[in-house]
Amino acid sequence: AQRVTQPEKLLSVFKGAPVELKCNYSYSGSPELFWYVQYSRQRLQLLLRHISRESIKGFTADLNKGETSFHLKKPFAQEEDSAMYYCALSGDAGNMLTFGGGTRLMVKP
Amino acid sequence: GAVVSQHPSRVICKSGTSVKIECRSLDFQATTMFWYRQFPKKSLMLMATSNEGSKATYEQGVEKDKFLINHASLTLSTLTVTSAHPEDSSFYICSAPQLGQGFREQYFGPGTRLTVT
Repeated sequence: AQRVTQPEKLLSVFKGAPVELKCNYSYSGSPELFWYVQYSRQRLQLLLRHISRESIKGFTADLNKGETSFHLKKPFAQEEDSAMYYCALSGDAGNMLTFGGGTRLMVKP
Repeated sequence: GAVVSQHPSRVICKSGTSVKIECRSLDFQATTMFWYRQFPKKSLMLMATSNEGSKATYEQGVEKDKFLINHASLTLSTLTVTSAHPEDSSFYICSAPQLGQGFREQYFGPGTRLTVT
């Protein structure tokens, strides 16, 4: 079985502050981890994936297999980063995604 | 990027009636599509995997006779909520994977809000 846990339902920070959205997973094989974002009144869209090791909109996430974590980080939050963020895992079952509970990020001016 | 559409975006129906929701991949073919349900202030729950040309695969706890899925073509999957009850009111989202640069990326539809009165 695969499971994704996002312990924080809401994270509120001030503009310019660092932000870290936590994600932990459980999976017996080699998972692929993703972060999806949903801005207000928009559809879910891919933010980044661990395979690419890329930085998107200033966000990065490193897969830590020892801690089974894939935390999303940004050194300086912007107001436009306010959104729902979902961590997701894809295992062996062909593209099927298991989502975490989501974290609402609010960046205050 | 690839686009997935859903129709309708919002529907209100009476208890006992059936509602059909369409999910289309607009510029790519999808042999597989996924249907999710999103409860208020909660995450997405995978309901079923829609397979073109074969039966859908339902997740544990999802009634296949209540949530009928038909993947009639490589660009269309439909979810029919039969004999709808108020507890079926929810936000239903579909997604379809597309092979990109050696990676299958999921593209999500905008969702359909179902309200059963």
